[in-house]
Amino acid sequence: QSALTQPASVSGSPGQSITISCTGTNSDIGLYNYVSWYQHHPDKAPKLMIFDVSYRPSGVSDRFSGSKSGNTASLTISGLQAEDEADYYCSSYSSTYIPYVFGTGTKVTVL
Amino acid sequence: QVQLLQSGAEVKKPGASVKVSCKAQGYTFDHYVVSWVRQAPGQGPEWMGWISNSNGNTKYAVKFQGRVTITADTSTSTAYMEVKSLTSDDTAVYYCARDSSRGSYVDYWGQGTLVTVSS
Repeated sequence: QSALTQPASVSGSPGQSITISCTGTNSDIGLYNYVSWYQHHPDKAPKLMIFDVSYRPSGVSDRFSGSKSGNTASLTISGLQAEDEADYYCSSYSSTYIPYVFGTGTKVTVL
Repeated sequence: QVQLLQSGAEVKKPGASVKVSCKAQGYTFDHYVVSWVRQAPGQGPEWMGWISNSNGNTKYAVKFQGRVTITADTSTSTAYMEVKSLTSDDTAVYYCARDSSRGSYVDYWGQGTLVTVSS
């Protein structure tokens, strides 16, 4: 079972901004600044979009931004584009025996 | 560029075993840890275990200990993940993923291997 809770779906029109939440516990998101976000298009390899809460890997658009407050992390996509339609998963380092816990996933739909 | 190329889809009967391969390209294989993550239908990803390619050390999630074996062949830059005693609950897409040098996240993923367990 996934340890982090995300909304099942979020939608927005082109050009709008959307935010995806990711809620964990004091053993993962609340304890570490090690939250990452992944974009997953069907039948492709997941792609790292954000690491360590708010850092973007080279090549990732600055329309993607991350933040954290307490046990909840967020991914914001601004200037929504058709190509942003995908599944998004959060992940956090964890103090439990399992190093990485993942979210339940959010399907982003561009209307 | 970094690529992780996984073996093709598998269909297995309950009780059988499956071994998935993951060939790394574009980086020095034995400088990084490789994790295996699976995603069952309708669920989020689940970390299964990892291997340190510098020394061969492995670590497994408790629920997979004894049934999953992760190995690596540094001469071919390939990691392997074997699951024994398959049940229908093991039907999932299995991914290999490279741990970042910071060790706080995975940075590159394979394309995934669908394993279907059905009688």
